[in-house]
Amino acid sequence: GAVVSQHPSWVICKSGTSVKIECRSLDFQATTMFWYRQFPKQSLMLMATSNEGSKATYEQGVEKDKFLINHASLTLSTLTVTSAHPEDSSFYICSARDSGGRHGYTFGSGTRLTVV
Amino acid sequence: EDKVVQSPLSLVVHEGDTVTLNCSYEVTNFRSLLWYKQEKKAPTFLFMLTSSGIEKKSGRLSSILDKKELFSILNITATQTGDSAVYLCAGNAGNNRKLIWGLGTSLGVNP
Repeated sequence: GAVVSQHPSWVICKSGTSVKIECRSLDFQATTMFWYRQFPKQSLMLMATSNEGSKATYEQGVEKDKFLINHASLTLSTLTVTSAHPEDSSFYICSARDSGGRHGYTFGSGTRLTVV
Repeated sequence: EDKVVQSPLSLVVHEGDTVTLNCSYEVTNFRSLLWYKQEKKAPTFLFMLTSSGIEKKSGRLSSILDKKELFSILNITATQTGDSAVYLCAGNAGNNRKLIWGLGTSLGVNP
């Protein structure tokens, strides 16, 4: 089945530094990638939708200059949290949609970010 | 405004019980409804429903969609402790295929 590889699985960084999270679709082409964050005991919150080769569409309230998304190829999308602060600590998950629509939406394994 | 509402928010049952989880939706340009199971990490895909009245089954899990009444149910029969998880329902909306998520139902199965 469709697999999305996300890494790192967890990362601890200092305030003010930037962190890059990668998501790769391993056996299908992901024309669209969704980036979510999730706080404990809460549902997924969509941050942005990225389409290969074009600018990401950010949800209301999400700072595009802080959460940089790049979707340069059909198999790779990255989320960079710039100048991270402790309040950015969260679980970040990517989800890709198979361009052929056969697999529905496949999630990466998530990245637990802790900013200290 | 698009929304997906799941009920109950939480329930605890004994092993062997059957549970029904509910999901109602109001989604513009509705295309499909999806069910996911989330344990400690990212959600795992369960079902994608696009047609009304056609049950999808996978082992002890089954799901059906009612596009007239705008809801879906997820049934789990003969529950096991490994079924303990949060079950998420999402509606697929619009041309960019954005998912509208419910808050989830937290299911606990006691031995």
